[in-house]
Amino acid sequence: DTEVTQTPKHLVMGMTNKKSLKCEQHMGHRAMYWYKQKAKKPPELMFVYSYEKLSINESVPSRFSPECPNSSLLNLHLHALQPEDSALYLCASSPFSGASYEQYFGPGTRLTVT
Amino acid sequence: QKEVEQNSGPLSVPEGAIASLNCTYSDRGSQSFFWYRQYSGKSPELIMSIYSNGDKEDGRFTAQLNKASQYVSLLIRDSQPSDSATYLCALQRYYGNNRLAFGKGNQVVVIP
Repeated sequence: DTEVTQTPKHLVMGMTNKKSLKCEQHMGHRAMYWYKQKAKKPPELMFVYSYEKLSINESVPSRFSPECPNSSLLNLHLHALQPEDSALYLCASSPFSGASYEQYFGPGTRLTVT
Repeated sequence: QKEVEQNSGPLSVPEGAIASLNCTYSDRGSQSFFWYRQYSGKSPELIMSIYSNGDKEDGRFTAQLNKASQYVSLLIRDSQPSDSATYLCALQRYYGNNRLAFGKGNQVVVIP
């Protein structure tokens, strides 16, 4: 089973709103990721959590705030977003053992900022 | 040179033919290579991973890796309309580094 789930599937928010994206996996993976993907572009890494600790922040603006409550859950808190932040937000997970890290993506949250 | 390069133009193939996708990379130390399939409006789906030189087959898909020439390819045999998607080449730079570098993607259109 290589399932990563994400909620909500779609989100429309105003620039003054606060919202959260949620991601869950039950594969025992110890690395979890947030990506942003714009149309016709490859995914762009935002954050990586390894063993529930933030290990990579790709200089993401502070209006995006990640959280990893436990090894199965990953949240992305959104506040004061801009219209250019509208995109598909993808969560992924990978095992953190062995020599390679195959990443499995969730279905994504389609975010529209108005 | 970009870290991962893919042909950007759409690839049109007749149904039943072989689709061939190529990807080159610049860092000779790159260790692991992946192909993702992404349908329009959906998330990327891992379809192949390859770590050592040579061919790896899985159903109608074959991945080929040549580290000396720094390229990885994906062959789709007996192409079906359901194979119409964008295919993303990705690599992991070295063991222990869980960043993936992605190519821009290559759109495949299978014509019935």
